[in-house]
Amino acid sequence: SAVISQKPSRDICQRGTSLTIQCQVDSQVTMMFWYRQQPGQSLTLIATANQGSEATYESGFVIDKFPISRPNLTFSTLTVSNMSPEDSSIYLCSVTGAVGEKLFFGSGTQLSVL
Amino acid sequence: GENVEQHPSTLSVQEGDSAVIKCTYSDSASNYFPWYKQELGKRPQLIIDIRSNVGEKKDQRIAVTLNKTAKHFSLHITETQPEDSAVYFCAAPSAGGTSYGKLTFGQGTILTVHP
Repeated sequence: SAVISQKPSRDICQRGTSLTIQCQVDSQVTMMFWYRQQPGQSLTLIATANQGSEATYESGFVIDKFPISRPNLTFSTLTVSNMSPEDSSIYLCSVTGAVGEKLFFGSGTQLSVL
Repeated sequence: GENVEQHPSTLSVQEGDSAVIKCTYSDSASNYFPWYKQELGKRPQLIIDIRSNVGEKKDQRIAVTLNKTAKHFSLHITETQPEDSAVYFCAAPSAGGTSYGKLTFGQGTILTVHP
């Protein structure tokens, strides 16, 4: 399966600031997604990162709060804007197309907002 | 949209026993059901999946069964080992089975295997 790397792996941020998370895949993939995992909780889809166009957001998530870019078939970024403590979560990049349509997750970014 | 319910939330077994985790889903159009294992501090890992054209799939000590009529599917782990201790998540497609990347996840089951 593809190697999916995220940077940073963890960060501690002050409220009101923004953080951009990078996701790099070692091969071209069809689809890229961003998920959120709040502490002790399940995984929730934030959006689908579309190559060369605006991301498609799930209910409850908006572009102003979580702008996403996907300039090519191997790279995407997620920005968490104007952060509050409620944004403290693990953010996971994920991809399909590397092995059939199965969904694989990146290494994750653990974000703590003070 | 899809709704996935997972039970139990915690499961404690002795090494060598079997463990069963059950999930129900709401959208009859869903046709793909993966299971993920997440160890502490690590990413979720796909361990087994099943498509709606089969009723059961096995991979060594793990198996998944699907009952489309009742809209439920289960993960079975036999001969459990301490390294099976983790959080297990079931999932189903959010968009009526049209994208296997857009998943709705269950709430998770914390499995503890005691030596």
